[in-house]
Amino acid sequence: DQQVKQNSPSLSVQEGRISILNCDYTNSMFDYFLWYKKYPAEGPTFLISISSIKDKNEDGRFTVFLNKSAKHLSLHIVPSQPGDSAVYFCAASDAGNQFYFGTGTSLTVIP
Amino acid sequence: DTGVSQNPRHKITKRGQNVTFRCDPISEHNRLYWYRQTLGQGPEFLTYFQNEAQLEKSRLLSDRFSAERPKGSFSTLEIQRTEQGDSAMYLCASSLSSGAGASYEQYFGPGTRLTVT
Repeated sequence: DQQVKQNSPSLSVQEGRISILNCDYTNSMFDYFLWYKKYPAEGPTFLISISSIKDKNEDGRFTVFLNKSAKHLSLHIVPSQPGDSAVYFCAASDAGNQFYFGTGTSLTVIP
Repeated sequence: DTGVSQNPRHKITKRGQNVTFRCDPISEHNRLYWYRQTLGQGPEFLTYFQNEAQLEKSRLLSDRFSAERPKGSFSTLEIQRTEQGDSAMYLCASSLSSGAGASYEQYFGPGTRLTVT
């Protein structure tokens, strides 16, 4: 059973506009959420995270929003740049013991 | 380079053979995770160690799979009697779970791509 879901396999955005990537989860015991970026032939690279006690975390162009009641999180990238083109995975954890990843969203930023 | 390293990067083996992969984590990281990733999927958790102790194992980890982390440093993942369904990318990640700088952020290696023919 997929406990973390990314329902959009792909997303295309114009350079300079906002990219919004979405993620849903089912397990209310998850207390930490992360976003990773992955380029071909490389392992995932950590991007940004959020604890369940917060509803927003911002780091430069990247902001993660958490809606616990809806079991939903999103990653906003603004402004989007061509170098942001990659596959983005969201992940959820129960106190750092196991991590559950979504299936990824392939983002293409069009120059 | 102080990142996570994995060897070999690629492995082709015949069905029924045994294979072993190695992961060297970031030196001060006490947690080490193994994942498997197939095409179109996200990484799937297999197991993790805190120092030398193996604390969690996924039900995905059949008895043909075994992992060790002697002395709490590098780790090995062995697959015995490989099957074609074992073909995947095997990823290793490490994190620091205690002390100054502790977080749940995992740093991944480049992975070992296994092809079973």
